[in-house]
Amino acid sequence: SYVLTQPPSVSVAPGKTASITCGGNNIGSQGVNWYQQKPGQAPVLVIYYDSDRPSGIPERFSGSYSGNTATLTIIRVEAGDEADYYCQVWDVSSDHPVFGGGTKLTVL
Amino acid sequence: QVQLVESGGGLVKPGGSLRLSCAASGFTFSDYYMSWIRQAPGKGLEWVSYISSSSSYTNYADSVKGRFTISRDNAKNSLYLQMNSLRAEDTAVYYCARVVVTATNSHYFDYWGQGTLVTVSS
Repeated sequence: SYVLTQPPSVSVAPGKTASITCGGNNIGSQGVNWYQQKPGQAPVLVIYYDSDRPSGIPERFSGSYSGNTATLTIIRVEAGDEADYYCQVWDVSSDHPVFGGGTKLTVL
Repeated sequence: QVQLVESGGGLVKPGGSLRLSCAASGFTFSDYYMSWIRQAPGKGLEWVSYISSSSSYTNYADSVKGRFTISRDNAKNSLYLQMNSLRAEDTAVYYCARVVVTATNSHYFDYWGQGTLVTVSS
């Protein structure tokens, strides 16, 4: 089955740029989606279809991919961005979604 | 505005059953695929099941296949998950989520409920 690999944790200072990666075979063909989950809350979609932002999501959040790696980039990081972030694609071979293991973003 | 409200969680013994519900509002429920996704305590997200807008198609994670059944009632704007033969490893917060299907057959979850906790323990 399809596997998505994320680093368990990323740390960044306030005001700096955070990059969270998501690795998967030929990931660019899948359409990568990203979710933010703060403690005790439900996940929130922050990026869909590789790089599109839902309404209400700040422009500081962006998505991209190159080769087998997708990246969620957060510029000018704020304390309120501290959360777990999950990537997700649709595995066409099994016809179901696959989530990465999640990355905990810590704002120093 | 879109709202998804889950209910039906609780404490159940191993081997027992539970039925989760998700009440939807703020959108045309019958136009969308819907899904259940769970999260064990301290763990990541795990997809459980999804159902097409007309109930004609369903799919399940291998971990729940044969034990869980997803269904929906478009007249009541409700999604359900019947869980049988529950195991300790089914302990999790269960979220219902609305599914967006793109023109290229990619799928993502644009709205999530707050979740309902299912605890399987003797």
